[in-house]
Formats: sequence, structure tokens, C-alpha cells
Amino acid sequence: QVQLVQSGAEVKKPGASVKVSCKASGYPFTSYYMHWVRQAPGQGLEWMGIINVSGGTTTYAQKLQGRVTMTRDTSTSTVYMELSSLRSEDTAVYYCARPLYGGNGLDLHYWGQGTLVTVSS
Amino acid sequence: QSVLTQPPSASGTPGQRVTISCSGSSSNIGSNDLYWYQQLPGTAPKLLMYSNNQRPSGVPDRFSGSKSGTSASLAISGLRSEDEADYYCAAWDGSLSGRGWVFGGGTKLTVL
Repeated sequence: QVQLVQSGAEVKKPGASVKVSCKASGYPFTSYYMHWVRQAPGQGLEWMGIINVSGGTTTYAQKLQGRVTMTRDTSTSTVYMELSSLRSEDTAVYYCARPLYGGNGLDLHYWGQGTLVTVSS
Repeated sequence: QSVLTQPPSASGTPGQRVTISCSGSSSNIGSNDLYWYQQLPGTAPKLLMYSNNQRPSGVPDRFSGSKSGTSASLAISGLRSEDEADYYCAAWDGSLSGRGWVFGGGTKLTVL
């Protein structure tokens, strides 16, 4: 069965960077895109970006351009999301999510368990 | 402020039919597919609807989606207590000011 297992909670100081991992299993890793979505406490969902796991190309939300980097390691079936120059507003639960089908749509059927990133001085 | 506009709250009694609206523009809903998600407290979102009105396997047919022009709606018939959750719409936005996927602000559904 498809599983996405994310790394554990992080506490970071403003200005620091955080790197969250998402290890995939149960399907051909390079056949599906991976999205990242975040949710601040008590707030709605925010799309962060997408990585073409096969070729490594990325598309990021304009708001996060220059601060977010998504990468993948095909040898370990893991995708990574790194966010730099952290601010208090980046405090959120970060999710990786895989589409149901093999395109780059937002039919996100499989989700990681979420990683809480807290930015605090 | 979200690009896609949803009412912050909705409510209904068990067995009732409720609808949740999602309003956008020609750069998102008007020209792209619409998706719906359900999120129970403390859990990851769950895909309810893709390509405007397609249900993934396992989603009851009590849930239905529709789209017309720059607006869309999610209908839930035969409302049940377990439907109490937050609901989000989403679409691709191709505007020059920021191409990307956008979510609505979410609608909290209360089953009275």
C-alpha cells in the first residue's frame, strides 16, 4: 500500500532553515509527482510547490520563490522540502502529498502524516 | 485573502442536503478543473472530488460536485454527523500575478 512517512517535528529560530523529508513506499517512486502543502495553526491549506520526481523539475508558489527548494533522492524514494529564512509565519504543519493519478494535478489522494515546524525565538 | 472564496461556515441537520460554494475567476475555476477536500480535526486532508465531479473510490455518492463558469459547489446529501469537518476547494490559477495551485479559505461544516 502507498505510504508517505515524513520526518519529525522541528523547532527553529527565525532566519534558520528547515528540511523536511517524505519517504515514499508501495508504488513506483518516479512515476508520480509530489506536492507540498502547509497549514498554519487554525488556518487553511496553502500549496507550496510540486516536484516532478522523475526529472527533478520543480514549480513553486510565487509567494515562496527564493526560499523553498524541493529535491528528491531516487535511491531512497525520498523527497525533501527545504525552507530557508524562516519567519514566525512559517509555523505550520507541512504535508507531502501524492496525486491519485500519474499527472501533475491536485488529485492528492495520498498524504504524509504531517510535520509540525515551529519557528520561535 | 484566498483567491477562491468560500463561506466560512455552513450547517445542516442529519439527513438534510447542504451545499458549499466556491467562487473564483476566469484564471482559475473558469478555465481549470476543480478539486474538493475534506479535513477532519487533527488529520490530513482527504480528497473528495477531482476533475470537478469525479469521486475517488471510497467516497460515498452522497457527495457530488458541480461547476458553472467561475463558480463551483459541493453538495452533501443525507447529511451525517461524521460529515462535520472543514471543506476546501482548489484549482490551478494561471494568472500572470502568480501561477500555481490555490485553495479556498475553507468552510467549516457543522451538523446540528
